[in-house]
Amino acid sequence: QVHLVESGGGVVQPGRSLRLSCAASGFTFKTYGMHWVRQAPGKGLEWVAIIGHDGSYKAYTDSVKGRFTISRENSKNTLYLQMNSLGAEDMAVYFCARDFEIGKYIDYWGQGTLVTVSS
Amino acid sequence: EVVLTQSPATLSFSPGERATLSCRASQSVSSCLAWYQQKPGQAPRLLIYDASKRATGIPARFSGSGSGTDFTLTISSLEPEDFAVYYCQQCSDWRTFGPGTKVDIK
Repeated sequence: QVHLVESGGGVVQPGRSLRLSCAASGFTFKTYGMHWVRQAPGKGLEWVAIIGHDGSYKAYTDSVKGRFTISRENSKNTLYLQMNSLGAEDMAVYFCARDFEIGKYIDYWGQGTLVTVSS
Repeated sequence: EVVLTQSPATLSFSPGERATLSCRASQSVSSCLAWYQQKPGQAPRLLIYDASKRATGIPARFSGSGSGTDFTLTISSLEPEDFAVYYCQQCSDWRTFGPGTKVDIK
């Protein structure tokens, strides 16, 4: 079955960087678009970024443009999110998720990795 | 940006009751709308997409309706495992989620 496992979260100081990874299994990774979605503690869901199946298409929510970069390595079935210039507003659980209906929705989610921004 | 509104924030029901949840968009999203269920400490689960299509494996007691700006998720008879937070999500203009409605036990 589909399995998505995020890693790389932790405590980081404001202004620093962090890279999240997501290991995918149970499906043909290279044929699916992928997403990152975040959820601040006790809050709702926010779409962060989307990448096409071959990496040629990328899009970001306005609040992370120029700071975050989504990428993928299909040979390793892995999705990444490089996060730079982190601020308190970025503190959240970050979910890796599989695309459904060509970018419209998400059908499978990982369990998430927590990013804490604190000095 | 399309803003989704879900009100009220919390609804209370007894098991077996019918639950109707509302989602309103600030502008038309056609039928580009999904519903997700999230339980504490878990990832969301896709329930409904394209406003009214049930996702794979979702029980028939869940149904969605609406188009344009007004949408409804109906749970025909609440089971104990249905008490959770429900989010709507639009895909017409980028992708945004509503703030969620918590369905709790009366």
